[in-house]
Amino acid sequence: DAGVIQSPRHEVTEMGQEVTLRCKPISGHNSLFWYRQTMMRGLELLIYFNNNVPIDDSGMPEDRFSAKMPNASFSTLKIQPSEPRDSAVYFCASSVSAEAGEQYFGPGTRLTVT
Amino acid sequence: DQQVKQNSPSLSVQEGRISILNCDYTNSMFDYFLWYKKYPAEGPTFLISISSIKDKNEDGRFTVFLNKSAKHLSLHIVPSQPGDSAVYFCAAVHGGYQKVTFGTGTKLQVIP
Repeated sequence: DAGVIQSPRHEVTEMGQEVTLRCKPISGHNSLFWYRQTMMRGLELLIYFNNNVPIDDSGMPEDRFSAKMPNASFSTLKIQPSEPRDSAVYFCASSVSAEAGEQYFGPGTRLTVT
Repeated sequence: DQQVKQNSPSLSVQEGRISILNCDYTNSMFDYFLWYKKYPAEGPTFLISISSIKDKNEDGRFTVFLNKSAKHLSLHIVPSQPGDSAVYFCAAVHGGYQKVTFGTGTKLQVIP
């Protein structure tokens, strides 16, 4: 099993540019989560999907952030326009719904917005 | 409002000794608790969990204790090994929800 796959691993972009982060969950997992990690706030849940449907997006910081899950094997997190304060590590995780809390994380995407 | 708190940002322990990592929570609706371990440049990995109906769960060198009345849980690692050096996140879930609330993490260093 390849685990959760995220791309790119590193992204450096200029303020105002659009950024798209990608995630492939573990096959057979029906829940997918996007997190952001910063020094100040730790690991924050941005949004999660169950069976490709967004369930809770209350953690999405503002309208500049959007996430989609067009099918069970792919999700994107888009930031448009990006700002320096969006610089963080973004993690994608997946799980089997029945296993409360036990999530499998990808390696993360380190985003730097200059 | 930090519902899951890890007040010690770092901890150093000698190899072979016990490591104790602490976590406090404020939301009484939480009924399932987890610990994750994170190495640099990797995502967190699930380590051990405990249901609120229990007060202890053990898995090899790792034991999690839960004190519901104090809203406190701890992770004990014994004996500590250099490979245990990582950031440890406490996390909590409530009800039938999948939403996990994480603490800010404690960086453990095990000194050989």
